[in-house]
Amino acid sequence: GAVVSQHPSRVICKSGTSVKIECRSLDFQATTMFWYRQFPKKSLMLMATSNEGSKATYEQGVEKDKFLINHASLTLSTLTVTSAHPEDSSFYICSAKGGTGGDYGYTFGSGTRLTVV
Amino acid sequence: AQSVSQHNHHVILSEAASLELGCNYSYGGTVNLFWYVQYPGQHLQLLLKYFSGDPLVKGIKGFEAEFIKSKFSFNLRKPSVQWSDTAEYFCAVPYNQGGKLIFGQGTELSVKP
Repeated sequence: GAVVSQHPSRVICKSGTSVKIECRSLDFQATTMFWYRQFPKKSLMLMATSNEGSKATYEQGVEKDKFLINHASLTLSTLTVTSAHPEDSSFYICSAKGGTGGDYGYTFGSGTRLTVV
Repeated sequence: AQSVSQHNHHVILSEAASLELGCNYSYGGTVNLFWYVQYPGQHLQLLLKYFSGDPLVKGIKGFEAEFIKSKFSFNLRKPSVQWSDTAEYFCAVPYNQGGKLIFGQGTELSVKP
């Protein structure tokens, strides 16, 4: 089946530094990838939609300059949290959508736990 | 635009009890619906999905859901839960055909052994 690899699974960084999270579709081409943020005991909040070769579309209220998304190839999207602050600490999840036809296959990565100290 | 809501925030059951988690969606047109499960410390896994056809959808691990168009509902059911079903359950709907997934608030299920 479709597999999405997300790396790193956990990262601790100092306040003010930047962190890059990678999301790779291992066995399919993902024309579209989505980035979510999940707070403890809360639902997944969609941050942005990234399409290969074009600029990401951010949801309302998400700072595009803070959360940089790059989708340079059909198998890789990256999320960079720039100048991270403690309030950016969260669980970030990517999802890749690929394939054709009516079965809208969404495959999720295992998530990245970001802790900013 | 689609939206989805889950009214049960935390459900506590004993093993062997029956489960029903509510999910209501807002859009009246063609609708696709998903149920996902997130076990503690793990990633989201697809339980089942509805696109068309038989409104009673069977998923993995003994779960099923029924699409009731007149009630705008897609409730998740399991006749007899196990301790291993303890997890967070999310109902989701694409924002538009094949677009971004919008999730409900999630329901935490705790099953007592």
